[in-house]
This record gives sequence, structure tokens and C-alpha cells, in this order.
Amino acid sequence: EIVLTQSPATLSLSPGERATLSCRASQSISNFLAWYQQKPGQAPRLLIYDASNRATGIPARFSGSGSGTDFTLTISSLEPEDFAVYYCQQRSNWPLTFGGGTKVEIK
Amino acid sequence: QVHLVQSGAEMKKPGASVKISCKTSGYTFTDYFIHWVRQAPGQGLEWMGWINPYNGDTKYAQTFQARVTMTRETSDRTVYMEVDTLRNDDTAVFYCAKEGRGYSLANWGQGTLVTVSS
Repeated sequence: EIVLTQSPATLSLSPGERATLSCRASQSISNFLAWYQQKPGQAPRLLIYDASNRATGIPARFSGSGSGTDFTLTISSLEPEDFAVYYCQQRSNWPLTFGGGTKVEIK
Repeated sequence: QVHLVQSGAEMKKPGASVKISCKTSGYTFTDYFIHWVRQAPGQGLEWMGWINPYNGDTKYAQTFQARVTMTRETSDRTVYMEVDTLRNDDTAVFYCAKEGRGYSLANWGQGTLVTVSS
């Protein structure tokens, strides 16, 4: 099973700041990585698929990069609605696995 | 647009079973796999398996292999997931999700809370 490790666990930032979230895979997964945002009481929402492709309707301030084992989700300038938990997920091997999440909180 | 609407919250006793439905609309039902994901209170996301609505094929995570059954009713565009022999630590929100580009989970149901308690 491929293990995804997200860091940091918590990121404390102010609106307007840049957020950089990391996801590291226990083995190479090519670019088979997605990112999701989850707000309290809501289902996850797909942000990025195949490491760098924005899903439909996702603002341009969200970008993904990386391949192999190291991936990054960047939010260029945090909006109030961006404070949430973010998960990465790989689909290179079964079972699909998720990272443990990074909480982006208001500083 | 795509919608996935799940059945309502359930309360079950340990050892019981629960069957959750996920009714879909807005796309060709048989063209996309449906996945199920579990989220325990305050915890992360855990993939349970998928069903291919076209032919009913399934694939389950090893953790759930023995206790989970996914089925579909094509005429009703609905997918079902049944979990047997519930335990207290099965208390969680269960989500169905439609596969999208890059085999991502592109569209999600609203979630179904299952509470297991004696």
C-alpha cells in the first residue's frame, strides 16, 4: 500500500498570504495524484487531478505541481473561504490512499 | 449537472448491518465508477472500494473485503453499499463519489452518518 505523508499538519496563515502544502509518497506514483478541499460538515471537493490539472470551476489561485514522490499544492493568495483541510490522494496503485490532511487555519 | 444524493443518517447496534444508497443524476450512469469513502469522526478519508455500474464489477479495500458489498440498480441510477457486522468503530460518515478525469473522485454525495452504539 502506498503511504502518503502530508506536511505540515497545520498551517497558520493570514488572508492574502501564500500557502504551500506538501504531499510525499512512499514510492513513485508518476503524476497520479489528486488534491481535495474539505470544510467542516461538508463532503470533500476535488481541486486538482493528475498532479497539476485544475478541476472544473476551481479558481486559478490553486495550483499543483510535482511528480514521482513529491507533490505540492499552492494557494497563491488565501481567500477567507480557503481555510479548510486539504487531502492528497493517489491512484497509482490499489488501494487508493489518502494523506492524513493539512489544516489551513486563520492566523 | 451531476448530483449524488445519499440516504439519511442511521443508528445501528453492534453486529447489525446497514445499507446506504447513492442516487445519481446528470450523467450517463454506466460510464463512470462509483467509489465509497469512510471518514470517522475527526479523522481522515479512507477508501473502501468501487463498483462499475456498467457490469456490477467491484473492487474492495482489503480492510473491508469481508464485510462490505456494493451493488447497483441500473434502472434507478442508484448504487448501494452494505456493511455487515457493524462495530462501534464503524461510526463514521460514508461518502459515495463519482470517478472523474484522471480517476479522481470528481463529484461527491453529501455523506451518510452511521452511528453504531449499543
